[in-house]
Order: sequence, then C-alpha cells, then structure tokens
Amino acid sequence: EPEVTQTPSHQVTQMGQEVILRCVPISNHLYFYWYRQILGQKVEFLVSFYNNEISEKSEIFDDQFSVERPDGSNFTLKIRSTKLEDSAMYFCASSEDPRKPQHFGDGTRLSIL
Amino acid sequence: AQTVTQSQPEMSVQEAETVTLSCTYDTSESNYYLFWYKQPPSRQMILVIRQEAYKQQNATENRFSVNFQKAAKSFSLKISDSQLGDTAMYFCAFMTLDSYDKVIFGPGTSLSVIP
Repeated sequence: EPEVTQTPSHQVTQMGQEVILRCVPISNHLYFYWYRQILGQKVEFLVSFYNNEISEKSEIFDDQFSVERPDGSNFTLKIRSTKLEDSAMYFCASSEDPRKPQHFGDGTRLSIL
Repeated sequence: AQTVTQSQPEMSVQEAETVTLSCTYDTSESNYYLFWYKQPPSRQMILVIRQEAYKQQNATENRFSVNFQKAAKSFSLKISDSQLGDTAMYFCAFMTLDSYDKVIFGPGTSLSVIP
C-alpha cells in the first residue's frame, strides 16, 4: 500500500536555527497537509496546500513557517528561526480528494535545544 | 467552535475482551466525516475507521465498529477481541464539508491491552 514518507524521523536543532522537514506524499495525491503534536497534547492542524498554494492555515502557522513543493514529489515545511516551543512531532498528510481520508506519514520528531 | 471531546484519558482492557472508547463532538454543520485514528508507540498515525455523517448505518472494519449517534453528536469506537497490538493512543476526529482542508482531533484516549 502506498505510504506518505517523512524525513528525517528525528531532527535536533539549536534554537534560532532554520529547519526543513521533508515529506513525500502518495504519488497520485494532490492535497497536502502539515499537523503538529506537542508531546502529550492533541494533534493540531497547521496548513493545507493545493495547486502550489496554501489553501488554509491555522493561527499557529505564523510568519516563521512556510511550505513549499519544490518538485513533483516533495512537500516541505520550513521553520525559519526555531523556538523551544516548536519542539513537537510534525506529521505530513496527503489525500487525493479533500473528501477522502488523509493518509499520514510516520512523523518527524523535532527537538529544539 | 468545532471541538472534539474524549472524556477518557486512559483505559485498559484484558486481551480478548471488548472495550468502548467514547467521543463527542460539537459542530453546527450537518454534513461531515468522523474518524478514529490509532497512534501506537511508534508514533505513526493510522486510520482505523471512517463514518460519513449522512449515513445512518454504523461503520465496521473487522474488529472495530462505531456507534454513531448524530443527534447526540456521539461517535464511540468499539474494539472487539482486543489484541496486544491494539495498545495505542486513539484519536477521534472530524472534518466538515465546509472545511475540507483540516481534520480536527480530540485529545486522545490511551488504551492499554493487558495480557
């Protein structure tokens, strides 16, 4: 069964540094999403992306965040100047149609020191 | 505001027994999708079961079934013949047709299956 893949599985970064989290959505999917889960808390929506544009973003997704689809397969989340509170598990998801279930990757655990 | 509530932070069940996880939600929309996701210790997010709100028949998927009560805005998950591999965090979630773009998750229920 096709999967959403995320790299790296664990990223450790110094506070203030930029970090890029990478995702390869399922190949025929056109809708892409990022979610965040702070340890012990619920999963929160960050942003959705379709047709090379952000279609919706949450209040968490401020100016330090950006997303990009640099080529036909990757979907990235960039955090420009990381803060301690950015430490979390970041999940990428994709779907072929927004009315169909989103398929999640295994997540990237981001630790900010 | 659209919210999902899971009132049981932790539950345990003996192997081979049946357990029910509760979920209630709040939305003013009439058309939406409901989901249960499983997150094992490995942290991946796995879709367990999905229910369309316009369907009255409760969804089933092997040992997993739901009890969907639309008027009560309740969506509980029943796991029959619990197995050790069912040990995980279970998230109830929904998505409205007005906001295809995001899934709203509940806080989760940590389920432990005891041998």
